[in-house]
Amino acid sequence: GAGVSQSPSNKVTEKGKDVELRCDPISGHTALYWYRQSLGQGLEFLIYFQGNSAPDKSGLPSDRFSAERTGGSVSTLTIQRTQQEDSAVYLCASSQTAGTDTQYFGPGTRLTVL
Amino acid sequence: AQSVSQHNHHVILSEAASLELGCNYSYGGTVNLFWYVQYPGQHLQLLLKYFSGDPLVKGIKGFEAEFIKSKFSFNLRKPSVQWSDTAEYFCAVSGTGGFKTIFGAGTRLFVKA
Repeated sequence: GAGVSQSPSNKVTEKGKDVELRCDPISGHTALYWYRQSLGQGLEFLIYFQGNSAPDKSGLPSDRFSAERTGGSVSTLTIQRTQQEDSAVYLCASSQTAGTDTQYFGPGTRLTVL
Repeated sequence: AQSVSQHNHHVILSEAASLELGCNYSYGGTVNLFWYVQYPGQHLQLLLKYFSGDPLVKGIKGFEAEFIKSKFSFNLRKPSVQWSDTAEYFCAVSGTGGFKTIFGAGTRLFVKA
């Protein structure tokens, strides 16, 4: 079946602009995660959604970052007033439920802020 | 603070050599532990996971990992590596009371043919 998809695959933007990154999880997966991978760094947890529960936003680095998940499926990560330090690969993953279930990762969106 | 430490950032081995990648974590309470792998040009994928039972876990492609609770460790091993094992390996931990997953910085393994 289809895996996790993310769009766009690459995004180049100017400092100060807003960007939206999209994630389509595997159908039926109730848990969805966003991570950020900066050059030479591991994966930094940003946020996760589990069903209809309130999301865990504890990893969002600033109030410029927000995410929503509509209808328990597609998720959008929004970065407002982008800064150069936001440049990274943003990865989305989904799993059947949170916790012990395997996370299936998408290809990522490479964001470059000029 | 919750954290995962991977001891080696880069490892170079010859084919047939044995592999051990270190992973230590700091995470309160009962944990779930994972190793993920990213082969060149591919997505991150699960290699193996531990959440209960036998602390020695076997995964795909001949990999195994041992959970040692007293040492807060979950080291990855393979007795004989192949060129196709060249990849980046990530250790990760999540808790059973909340599902935020913390990843280590990764270890890049290069296997010489």
